[in-house]
Amino acid sequence: GNSVTQMEGPVTLSEEAFLTINCTYTATGYPSLFWYVQYPGEGLQLLLKATKADDKGSNKGFEATYRKETTSFHLEKGSVQVSDSAVYFCALRRYNQGGKLIFGQGTELSVKP
Amino acid sequence: DVKVTQSSRYLVKRTGEKVFLECVQDMDHENMFWYRQDPGLGLRLIYFSYDVKMKEKGDIPEGYSVSREKKERFSLILESASTNQTSMYLCASSIQGTPAVTQYFGPGTRLLVL
Repeated sequence: GNSVTQMEGPVTLSEEAFLTINCTYTATGYPSLFWYVQYPGEGLQLLLKATKADDKGSNKGFEATYRKETTSFHLEKGSVQVSDSAVYFCALRRYNQGGKLIFGQGTELSVKP
Repeated sequence: DVKVTQSSRYLVKRTGEKVFLECVQDMDHENMFWYRQDPGLGLRLIYFSYDVKMKEKGDIPEGYSVSREKKERFSLILESASTNQTSMYLCASSIQGTPAVTQYFGPGTRLLVL
């Protein structure tokens, strides 16, 4: 079946450090891939997405590249800020799944000044 | 801006009570979803609806039902609340279309069942 696996958190970084959150997936065909972010006390919001192999999604300094050969969609940011502290969710959607998203377990990021 | 609102941010109920969680979206979206969020488990789909009066079970529908009488409103019902339904509940909506469409989430309802 379809599934998404993220690296376990919490991840604690100092401000301006480099961030990588690993995400790998299992799915047949060519799913669309997403990163959602949940700031404290809020719902989820879309951070970035990619719809086919080798696509790079980017937003707010975050990037992720759809790697079909390694079934991965790792999230990266070159220099994190305290305001990036949040929970990050990787997700996939298959074409014939009626819009349903399958989420990873979430990775909590804490950035210290 | 798309807005998805949920009727309560925090709710405390007793075991056996019937609980209604309401979700309203203002962007005329066809699809609406209910998820529950638990630490270490991410978000799991309870039910979704792709049209008025239409519903489909998600991955964990047991103990829940839903109602969609109007396009903008999607209700989650806990027929007889139990302590293992203590969780964060998130509603989302989206247009119908390609797999790349964005889901828009409400702020969540944190439910405690005593």
